[in-house]
This record gives sequence, structure tokens and C-alpha cells, in this order.
Amino acid sequence: QVQLQESGPGLVKPSQTLSLTCSVSGDSINSGSYYWTWIRQPAGKGLEWIGRIFTSGTTSYSPSLESRVTISLDTSNNQFSLKLISVTAADTAVYYCARDSIYWGQGILVTVSS
Amino acid sequence: QTVVTQEPSLTVSPGGTVTLTCASSTGALTSDYYPSWFQQKAGQAPRSLIYHTTNKHSWTPARFSGSLLGGKAALTLSGVQPEDEADYYCLLYYGGVRVFGGGTKLTVL
Repeated sequence: QVQLQESGPGLVKPSQTLSLTCSVSGDSINSGSYYWTWIRQPAGKGLEWIGRIFTSGTTSYSPSLESRVTISLDTSNNQFSLKLISVTAADTAVYYCARDSIYWGQGILVTVSS
Repeated sequence: QTVVTQEPSLTVSPGGTVTLTCASSTGALTSDYYPSWFQQKAGQAPRSLIYHTTNKHSWTPARFSGSLLGGKAALTLSGVQPEDEADYYCLLYYGGVRVFGGGTKLTVL
């Protein structure tokens, strides 16, 4: 069964770039027809869909984040990544990676603070 | 901006039946919005329960069912168990982009 694990810095300074990686095991990231997805959840609040990348590399992003976000595949390491530029305190959240929104990682807390 | 609306909170007695709904600001939902439902318990990652309106996973308890009801997506729990107390989220598809509902906090009391 596919398993996903988020990794990256737990603290990012305002105006800098948030970079996270999702390591995938039990499946090849460039086989099949899957959407590799990022979702976030601020403390005590609901889920927010950030965006996704298809196995082919095609991406789609939330309109509210589109100008700041990039999702990419790293097939050599069986990973996919999230980059969010110009972060503010409002980007503080638990970030989840998922495959097709069915299989999820455990999440990683990222705090934006100086 | 598209808004997906769920009941903020619902309460149900053990053994009872409850229906959670999910509505779109764009109008009546159809299966073309591929409604999905997720359960999130405190301190845990969300878990997928229902996909493509009515489809269950192998791990989805039989008491959970998905449907379309009056232009909304619906998640019905029949024979509610204490362990069903959780937050529930719907997710809708808008031509490549997906949007979560605000979530429903279900209390079993």
C-alpha cells in the first residue's frame, strides 16, 4: 500500500520561501494515473486544497494561492515537492501530501515566524 | 470565489442516523463535481471515506453512505457509533481545481 511522508523545515521566516517534500513508498510516482496533492490546515481551522500535479507533470492550483505556489515531481527520488513563496503568518499550518486525496501523509507543522 | 458550505455542527445520539450535506455557491451539485467525504479525528490526518459521490473504500464502515440530495452532496451515517465523533469534510471538483467545505463537527451524545 502506498505511504507518504512529508519533510522540510518546521520554521520559515516571513517573506521567505516554504519548501516541503513528500516521499512516496509502495508506489512509483511516475507510473499509473495519479494526482499528487498538497493540502493544508491552520490550527483549529478547516482543510484547504493547495494544488496537485498529475503523473504527466500537469499542475493545477488553488486560485487563491496560484501566484505563489509551485508543485513539482522528482521522479529520480520518488518524491514530489511544494514551494510557496513570500510567506506570511497566515501560511502557518499543518501541510499534508496525498495521492488522489485518498492516501495521506501524517502532516508536518510549518510555522511562519521571525 | 467558489464557496462550499457544510453544517458547522451536528449532534446525534448513539445508534441514530444523521445526514451531513455539502452545497456549492455555483448551484446544484451533480456527480460531475465528484463529491468526496473525509473524516478527521482530533490530532489525526484526515481519512477518505467516500469518493465520486457514492463509492466506498475497503476501509469505509458500511454505516457510511454517500449520495446526492436536493442539489447537495450528502453523507449519511446510519447506526452511529461513539467513535464516529469527528470532523467531516467534503471536497468538490471544479474543472481541475478542488475546494473543501468548511467542515462539520459531529458530536455523538
